Amino acid sequence: EIVLTQSPDFQSVTPKETVTITCRASQSIANSLHWYQQKPDQSPKLLIKYASQSISGVPSRFSGSGSGTDFTLIINSLEAEDAATYYCHQSSSLPYTFGGGTKVEIK
Amino acid sequence: QVQLVQSGAEVKKPGASVKVSCKASGYSFTSNYLHWVRQAPGQGLEWMGIINPIDGTTSYAPKFQGRFTMTRDTSTSTIYMELSSLRSEDTAVYYCARDSWLSSWGQGTLVTVSS
Repeated sequence: EIVLTQSPDFQSVTPKETVTITCRASQSIANSLHWYQQKPDQSPKLLIKYASQSISGVPSRFSGSGSGTDFTLIINSLEAEDAATYYCHQSSSLPYTFGGGTKVEIK
Repeated sequence: QVQLVQSGAEVKKPGASVKVSCKASGYSFTSNYLHWVRQAPGQGLEWMGIINPIDGTTSYAPKFQGRFTMTRDTSTSTIYMELSSLRSEDTAVYYCARDSWLSSWGQGTLVTVSS
């Protein structure tokens, strides 16, 4: 089973700052890595697919990069509405797995 | 638009089974794999299994092997999950989701296991 390790677990950020979240896979997953945003009492929402592909309707301040084992989600110019928990997920091999999540709080 | 609509909340006793449904609409049901993902209170997301809606073939996370079953009904564009031998640790919100990259999610179904 592929283990995804996210860091940090928690980040407190002021509006307009840039947030960087990393996700490391225990073995190479090429670019089969996706990012989600989940707000309290809501279903997760897809932000980025296949490491760097943007999703229609998702603000352009969200971007992703990486391949192999190391991946990054960047939120540029953070807005108050971005307060949420962010998860990475791999679909390279079964069983699919998720990272532990990164909670982003707005100061 | 794509919609995944799940059945309502359930309360079960330890040792019982629960079956949750997820009805798909807005796209061709057989065109995408479907998944179940769960989230215990205050915890992260946990992938449970995948089903091919064309032929019903499945793959489950090792943790759930033996007490977790996914099925589908192509006539109603619905998938189901059944979890047996429930214990308190199975209390969670259960989500269905579509595509390998989980592009769309159901609204979630809270399953509470309590004596």
